Amino acid sequence: AQSVSQHNHHVILSEAASLELGCNYSYGGTVNLFWYVQYPGQHLQLLLKYFSGDPLVKGIKGFEAEFIKSKFSFNLRKPSVQWSDTAEYFCAVAGRRALTFGSGTRLQVQP
Amino acid sequence: DAGVIQSPRHEVTEMGQEVTLRCKPISGHDYLFWYRQTMMRGLELLIYFNNNVPIDDSGMPEDRFSAKMPNASFSTLKIQPSEPRDSAVYFCASRGQGKGETQYFGPGTRLLVL
Repeated sequence: AQSVSQHNHHVILSEAASLELGCNYSYGGTVNLFWYVQYPGQHLQLLLKYFSGDPLVKGIKGFEAEFIKSKFSFNLRKPSVQWSDTAEYFCAVAGRRALTFGSGTRLQVQP
Repeated sequence: DAGVIQSPRHEVTEMGQEVTLRCKPISGHDYLFWYRQTMMRGLELLIYFNNNVPIDDSGMPEDRFSAKMPNASFSTLKIQPSEPRDSAVYFCASRGQGKGETQYFGPGTRLLVL
């Protein structure tokens, strides 16, 4: 069965700080990996996704993620966060059973 | 394209009442998903359809929940009878062929059962 673990449940950063959110997945087959963002009161939006090829994936708003197959990880990074990045971030894996989401990481950026 | 459309956006009802949530997927998308989001349980997949056929309903919490997709442009999620613990945000999402295709989410229906 596929599963996703996000170890950071709540992260608080100051503006301009660097961000790294952890994501580990469990799935035996070929995976497609996603990061979604949910701004307060809004629906989920795609940040970036990995299908194949270059393991370093760049997404919108300066976010990037690196797929490390040996570690079953797909961590999300941003070199300098802004207050507007305050949101909840979900890692997801597309395996046999549609998309499986992690429990989410709530990011709070303080001005 | 207007994206995934859900209605109503908010619903307040009393325990025991029937609740029907509606979803219109993006035109041309073959897959439709229903999710429930709560603080306690996070984002849960309830059921998904491929070409209007239910593929996996193992996430449906109990028999009070049912979902239908009578055609490619419309799906409903029904709760009968509703209970306070059903209070949550219900999201509909759709995508095209290929498991790696992006899922596009609707704005959600915020349900409160009193």
